[in-house]
Amino acid sequence: DADVTQTPRNRITKTGKRIMLECSQTKGHDRMYWYRQDPGLGLRLIYYSFDVKDINKGEISDGYSVSRQAQAKFSLSLESAIPNQTALYFCATSHAGELFFGEGSRLTVL
Amino acid sequence: AQSVAQPEDQVNVAEGNPLTVKCTYSVSGNPYLFWYVQYPNRGLQFLLKYITGDNLVKGSYGFEAEFNKSQTSFHLKKPSALVSDSALYFCAVRDGTNDYKLSFGAGTTVTVRA
Repeated sequence: DADVTQTPRNRITKTGKRIMLECSQTKGHDRMYWYRQDPGLGLRLIYYSFDVKDINKGEISDGYSVSRQAQAKFSLSLESAIPNQTALYFCATSHAGELFFGEGSRLTVL
Repeated sequence: AQSVAQPEDQVNVAEGNPLTVKCTYSVSGNPYLFWYVQYPNRGLQFLLKYITGDNLVKGSYGFEAEFNKSQTSFHLKKPSALVSDSALYFCAVRDGTNDYKLSFGAGTTVTVRA
């Protein structure tokens, strides 16, 4: 089983719909992250959390929100999805400066 | 602001030939440099990192990278490429203070032909 698990792996939705991407980890790390990957742009940080009570915006947080339900769970929400949020989303944890990624959630907004 | 440039979108090599993936960076203070690899339909996997010490860093799967402070570069290398090395490679940098703030390059697609 993967140490960092993302669900769903693939999702197609329509403009205006609310979407939640979920992430859970078994690594016991306090720090968790949500990144977005777009072709030619690399990965950009959406939100990060140092522990359950510490959540911070990354470089592209507009249009997104997060919830850290427990040390092991960090979910990303799109309250009203728009087509330019079509992307591959990665959850990650970190320890000693090294990132550990989930396998990604591919979101398509029509 | 910190940034990473990977000047080549694609690198094509024959199996058995040397592989080099280029990366240059900009960051305040001492750089912490990383290489990650992404195989199709998978998340990113850590290859190696440079924090301090020897400029030549050895990592997973036979990869190594050379830190060059004067040229602000951190090129990834493998002496003899395998078809299984075909993947998307990302270079990343952060400063020594904000360990959450990792900046990624756009990625380089490596194709190794048999």
